[in-house]
Amino acid sequence: AQTVTQSQPEMSVQEAETVTLSCTYDTSESDYYLFWYKQPPSRQMILVIRQEAYKQQNATENRFSVNFQKAAKSFSLKISDSQLGDAAMYFCAYRSANSGNTPLVFGKGTRLSVIA
Amino acid sequence: NAGVMQNPRHLVRRRGQEARLRCSPMKGHSHVYWYRQLPEEGLKFMVYLQKENIIDESGMPKERFSAEFPKEGPSILRIQQVVRGDSAAYFCASSPRTGASGNTIYFGEGSWLTVV
Repeated sequence: AQTVTQSQPEMSVQEAETVTLSCTYDTSESDYYLFWYKQPPSRQMILVIRQEAYKQQNATENRFSVNFQKAAKSFSLKISDSQLGDAAMYFCAYRSANSGNTPLVFGKGTRLSVIA
Repeated sequence: NAGVMQNPRHLVRRRGQEARLRCSPMKGHSHVYWYRQLPEEGLKFMVYLQKENIIDESGMPKERFSAEFPKEGPSILRIQQVVRGDSAAYFCASSPRTGASGNTIYFGEGSWLTVV
């Protein structure tokens, strides 16, 4: 079974600075997807960014980018120019691509605080 | 295009009562997932359904919990004889057919169950 580990329960960053959230995962599969979801105080789950394992290029969405290291099974999220609205829980998630619509496996999350 | 719709958003039940949570997937989506989030924890997979079929219920508690996704109408997560430990946020998510939209899963806003 796949597992996802987020080793930082809490992180903080100054407004306008850059922060990196860590995520590692364990799998024996070669084809899969990785995601970062954001959960603000409203508790809605918002997709931030996704990465296909077969792509070597790191995904980027505006101020959000990932550092995907397949051999190390690492998938960190970098937030540049942090804004107050970035304060939220961030969840890393894994999804197998081998069996169709398999469920997501989530890490326990990292709570990000943004300091004005 | 409406997103994943869940209702009720908040539900209060006394111990021993039944709770029914409903989920309408995004238009064009035929796969539904239910997740549970306990306070201060990540999302845990419960069940994965397609129309009229349960595909994977490996995360469902063995007793009191059931789920369905009928041919017509929303998916229903049913919890019988609720106990205080059932108090949690229940998230529904949906995805399109295999291979479509790059296997991204979209979440609803969650249903908060409080058992008193």
